[in-house]
Amino acid sequence: GENVGLHLPTLSVQEGDNSIINCAYSNSASDYFIWYKQESGKGPQFIIDIRSNMDKRQGQRVTVLLNKTVKHLSLQIAATQPGDSAVYFCAEIGRDFGNEKLTFGTGTRLTIIP
Amino acid sequence: NAGVTQTPKFQVLKTGQSMTLQCAQDMNHEYMSWYRQDPGMGLRLIHYSVGAGITDQGEVPNGYNVSRSTTEDFPLRLLSAAPSQTSVYFCASSHTGSEQYFGPGTRLTVT
Repeated sequence: GENVGLHLPTLSVQEGDNSIINCAYSNSASDYFIWYKQESGKGPQFIIDIRSNMDKRQGQRVTVLLNKTVKHLSLQIAATQPGDSAVYFCAEIGRDFGNEKLTFGTGTRLTIIP
Repeated sequence: NAGVTQTPKFQVLKTGQSMTLQCAQDMNHEYMSWYRQDPGMGLRLIHYSVGAGITDQGEVPNGYNVSRSTTEDFPLRLLSAAPSQTSVYFCASSHTGSEQYFGPGTRLTVT
């Protein structure tokens, strides 16, 4: 079946450095992708999204890149801070009988080293 | 706005017991969903609703029931709890089903 997965389950980055979290997807029909951040003991929080007609989108300290040719999504976090330590999920939007549904990847744990 | 609220925060059940996890949102969102989160599995969709009176099954619906009598509330019922239902449960809501707002979660343990 279709799935959304992540290349690496854990990532450690020195504070102040940039981090890149990768995600592979297999449903070529997906037209919308979202990155979520989940801190310990909390629900996922929306970070940034991108539609399939774009290849790059920037937010505050975050950039999402989409490569449809290889079905790859990445989240870049610039100048990482201790508060960036969390689990990051990519998610794709699929359609089920016309309704949108989110399918999540398994997550990458990002640890910022002071 | 309180956003998405969930109660209880923690719950321990014995096998065979039933209970209802409550979820409410005050953002007038049409879409509401229930997910469970297990280690190494990410979030999996249990049931969802696209509006009051409409519900549908997600990826892992067995053992769970939902109803949506109002726009604000979307309770999740466990009819006969099993140890396999030990998990963290998240409720979410959105306008369109895409950018979802998540509640704080309910940690359920079934012994």
